[in-house]
Amino acid sequence: AQSVTQLDSQVPVFEEAPVELRCNYSSSVSVYLFWYVQYPNQGLQLLLKYLSGSTLVKGINGFEAEFNKSQTSFHLRKPSVHISDTAEYFCAVSDIISNTGKLIFGQGTTLQVKP
Amino acid sequence: GAGVSQTPSNKVTEKGKYVELRCDPISGHTALYWYRQSLGQGPEFLIYFQGTGAADDSGLPNDRFFAVRPEGSVSTLKIQRTERGDSAVYLCASSLSPKRAREGYTFGSGTRLTVV
Repeated sequence: AQSVTQLDSQVPVFEEAPVELRCNYSSSVSVYLFWYVQYPNQGLQLLLKYLSGSTLVKGINGFEAEFNKSQTSFHLRKPSVHISDTAEYFCAVSDIISNTGKLIFGQGTTLQVKP
Repeated sequence: GAGVSQTPSNKVTEKGKYVELRCDPISGHTALYWYRQSLGQGPEFLIYFQGTGAADDSGLPNDRFFAVRPEGSVSTLKIQRTERGDSAVYLCASSLSPKRAREGYTFGSGTRLTVV
């Protein structure tokens, strides 16, 4: 079984400042890793994913994340945030073996960008 | 259609009533997923369809919940004898195939169910 822990429920940050949203996971098998973003009153949108290869992955809207296998982490970063980045961010994992594509999500982190 | 469509967008029902939530996946997508998102929580997996069959229903919380996909496209999530604890946003997602699902899904905007 897998589990995902997002260490911060809310992250307030000023516009143009850097931000890191933390995600740790637990799994007995290899996993794929994802970050999804949910803007108010909208569905979830894929931000980026790690399947294999380079541990630093880049996504949409200037976000990137780094997979650290030894620390079982997949933290999301952006060097300079905008007001429009205000949203709920979810980290998720999917195990490689079952091949169903089922996702296990973390509890979410609310990013609040202030002017 | 261009995206995953869920209807209704909002549903208010009385405790004990029966409800149906509909999901129209992207045309040609064979894999379809239902998730439930309670307030302040991440989405929780309910059920996964590959074609017409439920390949994994391990997330359905109890026998009041049931889902169908009779023709391999539209899916309906059915909840009998609704309880206040069923109040949540129900999300549907689809993917071209289970293998492509590894690369991420397309989610619908969800149905917000409120049981009063």
